[in-house]
Amino acid sequence: AQKITQTQPGMFVQEKEAVTLDCTYDTSDPSYGLFWYKQPSSGEMIFLIYQGSYDQQNATEGRYSLNFQKARKSANLVISASQLGDSAMYFCAMREGHALQAGTALIFGKGTTLSVSS
Amino acid sequence: DAGVIQSPRHEVTEMGQEVTLRCKPISGHDYLFWYRQTMMRGLELLIYFNNNVPIDDSGMPEDRFSAKMPNASFSTLKIQPSEPRDSAVYFCASSVSRDNTEAFFGQGTRLTVV
Repeated sequence: AQKITQTQPGMFVQEKEAVTLDCTYDTSDPSYGLFWYKQPSSGEMIFLIYQGSYDQQNATEGRYSLNFQKARKSANLVISASQLGDSAMYFCAMREGHALQAGTALIFGKGTTLSVSS
Repeated sequence: DAGVIQSPRHEVTEMGQEVTLRCKPISGHDYLFWYRQTMMRGLELLIYFNNNVPIDDSGMPEDRFSAKMPNASFSTLKIQPSEPRDSAVYFCASSVSRDNTEAFFGQGTRLTVV
């Protein structure tokens, strides 16, 4: 079974609108971390936001927020007030267990391509 | 810090040749990861190291792939012999052992095997 599922291959949004990118995950470990990365056409991987499994509040970073629904095992990324520069591929990723454990690594979903139009 | 440094940025090689990709992690980071990105399979974890020791190489596709980390500041991913289906972007990433810390990625090496 896939650990991280991103069901939207592509999303389209107009400038200044909000957009939600979906991510569901599968783990039986009570301790885990969820990450979102952005990959523009230039190819670099840019970290956006992190949510820990024990965090009580949804993570926010500027225009990015993470809608964390633990019971549903979903960690959707919300981008408010979209900008043209937000056009990129977005990846959801998960690390199971504590970072201090030797057996942990980020596992990525297939990604969602976001296109922002003016 | 200059970030994670990968070399070369681009590599074009003929089928059957040996290819070596290089990575310098961020100083002080104790985890190093090698990923491969293709359109079909997305971002796949190939292997990762903790304190220079390989922890999980189950993602390495075949015996043609090997990775080493001789010291904390250098790692290599070698493909011998290379095949056209190895064409992909190979990323190296590093991180520290803290739960809320992300992995920092290098710029990637775009490998084309003809």
